[in-house]
Parts: sequence; C-alpha cells; structure tokens
Amino acid sequence: GNSVTQMEGPVTLSEEAFLTINCTYTATGYPSLFWYVQYPGEGLQLLLKATKADDKGSNKGFEATYRKETTSFHLEKGSVQVSDSAVYFCALRSYSNTGNQFYFGTGTSLTVIP
Amino acid sequence: GAVVSQHPSRVICKSGTSVKIECRSLDFQATTMFWYRQFPKKSLMLMATSNEGSKATYEQGVEKDKFLINHASLTLSTLTVTSAHPEDSSFYICSAGVPGLAGLRETQYFGPGTRLLVL
Repeated sequence: GNSVTQMEGPVTLSEEAFLTINCTYTATGYPSLFWYVQYPGEGLQLLLKATKADDKGSNKGFEATYRKETTSFHLEKGSVQVSDSAVYFCALRSYSNTGNQFYFGTGTSLTVIP
Repeated sequence: GAVVSQHPSRVICKSGTSVKIECRSLDFQATTMFWYRQFPKKSLMLMATSNEGSKATYEQGVEKDKFLINHASLTLSTLTVTSAHPEDSSFYICSAGVPGLAGLRETQYFGPGTRLLVL
C-alpha cells in the first residue's frame, strides 16, 4: 500500500541554521510528492512538489528532490528564519484507475528561535 | 498513532441531491477540524475550519450555505454538500487537530479522503 513517514518533531533551530526534515514513502506506481506547510491557526498551504523521479521542487528557499532509489523526499533549507516556524507535512498522491488519493505524514513542527 | 476516518470513501449522487461526509477522530478528541477540497490536477484547497461547538470559519470564496459544516462533538465533524452539482465533484479531505502538550504545536491528522462524483 501507500504510506508516508516523516521524522517526528518537534524541531527547534536557531535562526540561519540549516534545516532537514526527512520524509520517506512507500507507493505502488509513480506517485507525486508534496510538502505542505501549516502556519499557526491556518490550514495547509502547498510549499513545493515534484511529480517524477529526480525532479526537484523549490519555493521560498526550501528544496526537496524526488529520490526513487531511496524512496525519499527530504525537505531542506539552507538558512531558516523565525517566520519559517510552522508544521510541515510530507504528502504523496497516488494515481489509479479509480482516481487519485493523498497520503500524508503526521507533520513535523519547526520552531526557529532568534 | 491517531487515526482519522472519513465516510464514505466514495459517493456517486444525482445532481440536486445533498451528500453528507463524516470525519471522525477514532482515538482522540479533536478541538479543531479542517476541510479541504482537491480540484483535478491541483493541490488541496482549504475550505473551512471548524471548532467544536461553534460555527465554522469559511475561506474566501467558499459558499457556506452550500457546504454546511457541523462539528457537533470532539470526535465528529460533518460536511454536507447541499444541492450538489457536477462542478462539486471533487476529492474532499478532512484533518483533525489536537493541541500540543507542554507548549508544543497542534498536531494534525488527516483522513483518507472522500471522492464525490455528481452526475
């Protein structure tokens, strides 16, 4: 079946530190992979995505590369800011004859301190 | 870990009928629940935020009279699509939030989604 596993938090970093949030997946077929961000009190927002192997998604300084050989989609940012404090969700979208469906990780809480 | 279920997983209905989708937190109490909609080939769109015992907060552009949300208990929220039309056909996902302990942030758990097809 399909599933997403992401590293548990919470993660606390100092401003300008390097961020990595690990995400691995299991899937049948060729899924698309996503990172969503949820700021306090708000719903999910799409952060970045990759639709096929070796694609790199990037947005707002965040990057993630779709690695089929390691079934991973780790989120990275070279220098975090206080405003990046949020919860980050890795997600997979599978495709089938009956439609497509999302599978989400449980989320990783990030707190960036000045 | 915490589990969120949705029922039904798939539903086909005729135009003009109403459809109710249930979102349940199975082993925890959820203070807030979110409803999302996924348009074809697009990402999730937040529809509304519901808090137990109070009215839902709808996102801009979402018709509150068409998408009725009831969060009657800490384990159940329902989304009713009233007078459904083909353009309402979509994939609806709910998530349930649990406040973090010791100052930690809220954790969100997602349901598996409900696919609605309106003929």
